[in-house]
Amino acid sequence: TQLLEQSPQFLSIQEGENLTVYCNSSSVFSSLQWYRQEPGEGPVLLVTVVTGGEVKKLKRLTFQFGDARKDSSLHITAAQPGDTGLYLCAGVNFGNEKLTFGTGTRLTIIP
Amino acid sequence: KAGVTQTPRYLIKTRGQQVTLSCSPISGHRSVSWYQQTPGQGLQFLFEYFSETQRNKGNFPGRFSGRQFSNSRSEMNVSTLELGDSALYLCASSLTAGTGIYEQYFGPGTRLTVT
Repeated sequence: TQLLEQSPQFLSIQEGENLTVYCNSSSVFSSLQWYRQEPGEGPVLLVTVVTGGEVKKLKRLTFQFGDARKDSSLHITAAQPGDTGLYLCAGVNFGNEKLTFGTGTRLTIIP
Repeated sequence: KAGVTQTPRYLIKTRGQQVTLSCSPISGHRSVSWYQQTPGQGLQFLFEYFSETQRNKGNFPGRFSGRQFSNSRSEMNVSTLELGDSALYLCASSLTAGTGIYEQYFGPGTRLTVT
């Protein structure tokens, strides 16, 4: 069974601070996605990274796919209360395209 | 374009009963996946349908089943409900099946409570 471990599991920081969330696995993925989920809603896709070493930016969010395509990170600069939510990474398996979701990071930004 | 819709949004059932949940994907999306989300286990894959055929299946007992209709709408059924089936059931549709990217667009979920 492929596992995606996210760290930290919980993170509570002040508005304006920077943070990094990690997503690690021993398996190689064809691509990796990041989602954000807010209470009472389904996850919303933020970004997909496909190439090893790829870096994508979405405003204050920076996503990186590891060179070996086994891990990824999400860095948020100058966090805002609107960034609060559950962040999930998800790896796409080669061949069968099954998605394996990470364990999740619950982020709270304190105004 | 309308998003993924799921009905009902909330459901309370008794142990031993069965339940059917419905999902309408984004227009043009032929792949529909179902997930179970619980605080303890996180988001777990149940199964995926593509063009009315089950393409992938997760590690859930046979009490969990699904189907997809010709218009891509999908239903999932859980028979002989157990307390542990209480969860948020999420449906997601995808346009990019077969590309190795497979981005998922989720509905709001159905919150199932088994008493």
